[in-house]
Amino acid sequence: AQSVTQLGSHVSVSEGALVLLRCNYSSSVPPYLFWYVQYPNQGLQLLLKYTTGATLVKGINGFEAEFKKSETSFHLTKPSAHMSDAAEYFCAVSLNTGGFKTIFGAGTRLFVKA
Amino acid sequence: EADIYQTPRYLVIGTGKKITLECSQTMGHDKMYWYQQDPGMELHLIHYSYGVNSTEKGDLSSESTVSRIRTEHFPLTLESARPSHTSQYLCASGHTGAGNTIYFGEGSWLTVV
Repeated sequence: AQSVTQLGSHVSVSEGALVLLRCNYSSSVPPYLFWYVQYPNQGLQLLLKYTTGATLVKGINGFEAEFKKSETSFHLTKPSAHMSDAAEYFCAVSLNTGGFKTIFGAGTRLFVKA
Repeated sequence: EADIYQTPRYLVIGTGKKITLECSQTMGHDKMYWYQQDPGMELHLIHYSYGVNSTEKGDLSSESTVSRIRTEHFPLTLESARPSHTSQYLCASGHTGAGNTIYFGEGSWLTVV
């Protein structure tokens, strides 16, 4: 069975600083990996996804993530944080076998200080 | 991206009432999901469907029920609401051929008093 672990329930950065949100997964077969962002009182919006091919994936709002199979990681980064990046971020894993459920991590709340 | 709509967005109801949360998507996605999320907490899958007349329970036990009579419609029903059902309910849909990408509605906030 697959699982997702997000390291750090809260991350705080200064505006303009690097954003790094950590995600590790467990899967018996090659997974599909996703990052979603959730703003207050809204649903989740897809930031980026990895399915196959290039391991460095670029998403919206300047975010990117790198799939590292050897480390079973899919960390999310952004070179320079903006105040509007403050939100909850969820890492998710899905398999294309035995059902199509998507499992989410517990989420990381990003705070951006002026 | 999918267009997926949830109604109502916000609902306050009394204990014992029956409620149905509506979810519709216009992209013809075969798979649909309901997640439950308490404020600031993780998402828990409570129901999913692979297509018409297919429904399965998710990882979190829920007293709610769902139906999938039409591809685009996946309503969730609580026969007798209780305060413990107070939460946000997120509907999502996806297509097998899209790398299992799922897209979310804006959520329905339910408060049972």
